Amino acid sequence: AQSVSQHNHHVILSEAASLELGCNYSYGGTVNLFWYVQYPGQHLQLLLKYFSGDPLVKGIKGFEAEFIKSKFSFNLRKPSVQWSDTAEYFCAVNANNNDMRFGAGTRLTVKP
Amino acid sequence: DTEVTQTPKHLVMGMTNKKSLKCEQHMGHRAMYWYKQKAKKPPELMFVYSYEKLSINESVPSRFSPECPNSSLLNLHLHALQPEDSALYLCASSPSGNTIYFGEGSWLTVV
Repeated sequence: AQSVSQHNHHVILSEAASLELGCNYSYGGTVNLFWYVQYPGQHLQLLLKYFSGDPLVKGIKGFEAEFIKSKFSFNLRKPSVQWSDTAEYFCAVNANNNDMRFGAGTRLTVKP
Repeated sequence: DTEVTQTPKHLVMGMTNKKSLKCEQHMGHRAMYWYKQKAKKPPELMFVYSYEKLSINESVPSRFSPECPNSSLLNLHLHALQPEDSALYLCASSPSGNTIYFGEGSWLTVV
């Protein structure tokens, strides 16, 4: 089965700083990749997804992610974070078999 | 817009109680899921139904019993739970097994 690693457990940034959260997956075949966000006390929301095509995908709220197949990575980026981006971010991978697996999550704290 | 509706939002139950969590979606999605999420942890897959048939069961204890009465509904029957089962239970659905859309969850406390 596929697995996902998020190496950053907790990231603390000041407003306007740039963000990059790491995500690596382990699976030998074709995968679909996702980033979800969970704001405090709220449910999971889809930020962006990659199925195929352009490896640079753009999502909501100014987020983007780049799929690098050779590195099995799908890092999340945002040029300038805001206080409202404070949340938990989960990378997830689905190997086209209804089996979605999540990374451990990265808690982002943005200081005003 | 996608919508997965879960009830109840909060449930407190004793260890000898029998209760159920309910989930509904009217988007025509053919796959439905139950996930369990503990505080500050990622969601853990429990069950997947595909075309109303159980396709994945992640070795979940039998005190959790899923049921898919039809393509729009998914239940999770709870019986003889333990305090460590207290968590946020997330229902989700997917049109074709790729993008998954989550409900707001049911907060379960076992006392």
